[in-house]
Amino acid sequence: DVKVTQSSRYLVKRTGEKVFLECVQDMDHENMFWYRQDPGLGLRLIYFSYDVKMKEKGDIPEGYSVSREKKERFSLILESASTNQTSMYLCASRTGSHQPQHFGDGTRLSIL
Amino acid sequence: AQSVSQHNHHVILSEAASLELGCNYSYGGTVNLFWYVQYPGQHLQLLLKYFSGDPLVKGIKGFEAEFIKSKFSFNLRKPSVQWSDTAEYFCAVNARGNTPLVFGKGTRLSVIA
Repeated sequence: DVKVTQSSRYLVKRTGEKVFLECVQDMDHENMFWYRQDPGLGLRLIYFSYDVKMKEKGDIPEGYSVSREKKERFSLILESASTNQTSMYLCASRTGSHQPQHFGDGTRLSIL
Repeated sequence: AQSVSQHNHHVILSEAASLELGCNYSYGGTVNLFWYVQYPGQHLQLLLKYFSGDPLVKGIKGFEAEFIKSKFSFNLRKPSVQWSDTAEYFCAVNARGNTPLVFGKGTRLSVIA
C-alpha cells in the first residue's frame, strides 16, 4: 500500500512566520502535489513536481514555495504566513498520469 | 484550462435510496477521470477511475460511474446507499499526458436512517 505521510496533522502558527509543511512518500513516485482544501472550494492545486529539483506552479501559488531535494520528499513553504492561508493542506503522489493520486491525511494549519 | 463542475453541493438521502452525483468537465481532448471519497476525518480515497475502454466503470463499495463523452460527463451512481456512505465525494479530471488532477468542489452526501 502506498503511504503518503504529512509531518503534522494540526499546526498553529502566527502571521509573518515562515512555515514548513513536509510530505514523504514511500513508493518511489515521480510526481508529487500540494493542494489546499477549503469548504465549498474543493481542492485547489498550489504546486507540483514531476521530478527531483523540478517544480511547477499550480492554480494558486502566490505566497507559497516548494522544495524537492529528494524524490520521496516534497516540502511546502509559506514564506510569510497570513491568516488567509488558514486551511487544510493535502499532499499527494503518483507514479504517472494514468495512475491515481494517493493522498496523505492532511495538515490543518491555523494562522493566528 | 480544464474545469470540473459538480452540480450538487449537499445531497441528503435515506438509507436504501439510489444515488446519482453529477460531474461535468470542460476539456476537448482525451481525459482520465476519477472519483474520490473523503470520509469524515479521513484522507481522500480512490473510488474508481476511467482511462479507456468500457465507459461504465465499477469501483469499490458498489459504486459505478458512466463516462458519456458527448456530454462531457462522468456521473457517479450507487443503487442503494448505506449510512456508511456519508462522506464528501470529489470528481477529478486530468488531460492525457503528465498533467495534474483538477478537482470539482465536491458533493457532501448525508445518508439518514
